[in-house]
Amino acid sequence: AQTVTQSQPEMSVQEAETVTLSCTYDTSESDYYLFWYKQPPSRQMILVIRQEAYKQQNATENRFSVNFQKAAKSFSLKISDSQLGDAAMYFCAYTIWDSNYQLIWGAGTKLIIKP
Amino acid sequence: DSGVTQTPKHLITATGQRVTLRCSPRSGDLSVYWYQQSLDQGLQFLIQYYNGEERAKGNILERFSAQQFPDLHSELNLSSLELGDSALYFCASSPRASGRIYEQYFGPGTRLTVT
Repeated sequence: AQTVTQSQPEMSVQEAETVTLSCTYDTSESDYYLFWYKQPPSRQMILVIRQEAYKQQNATENRFSVNFQKAAKSFSLKISDSQLGDAAMYFCAYTIWDSNYQLIWGAGTKLIIKP
Repeated sequence: DSGVTQTPKHLITATGQRVTLRCSPRSGDLSVYWYQQSLDQGLQFLIQYYNGEERAKGNILERFSAQQFPDLHSELNLSSLELGDSALYFCASSPRASGRIYEQYFGPGTRLTVT
C-alpha cells in the first residue's frame, strides 16, 4: 500500500532556530515526486518545496530544504531561521508517475513557533 | 494567490439539503482535483477531472458528484447532506494529467457547515 507517515503530530521551535519535520513513505515505484505543503491558520494550502525522486540533489527554497534519503524512503523538511509566519500545519505528500497526479498525503505536523 | 478560485467561501446549510461548490482552475490548467479536509485531519482525495473527463476517483461518497465544464471550471455537488459532511473542501489544479509531474495548486477552499 502507498502510505505517507508523519510521526510528529506537533513540533515546537524557538524563533530563529532550526527545526526538522520528518516524513517517511512507502512505495514500490522508482519514479515519483515528493512535496511539502504548508497550511497556515487561514487554511490555504501552500506548496513549500518539491523533490523529484530521480534527482540525488536535495531541493532548497530559501530557508526551506529537504533531506531526501531514497533508500530509506525518508523525506524530511528543514526550516532554518524559523519565523513566526512559519507556524502552520505541514503536510508531506507524494505522487507517482502514472497515478494521474493523485497525491498521497501524510496526516500532518503542527509547527509551533515560540517567540 | 494560487490563481485557483473557489466559491462560495463559506456555506451553512441543513441536513438533507443539496449544495454546489464551484472551482475555477488556474489559467491554462486542464486538470482539477477535489479534496475534503475534516477538522484537524489530512486531506482526502475525492475526484479528478481532466479536460472535461473524469480521470480518477478516490473516497467519494455516492451522494457526491462532480463535473468539469468546457470552460474547465468544475462543480462539486453534495446531496442529502449529513452532519459529518461538514468540512473544508479544496479544489486544486495542475496543467496536465500525465507526463511530467506538475504541482497541484490549491484554491482557498469552501468551508461547509451542515447543521
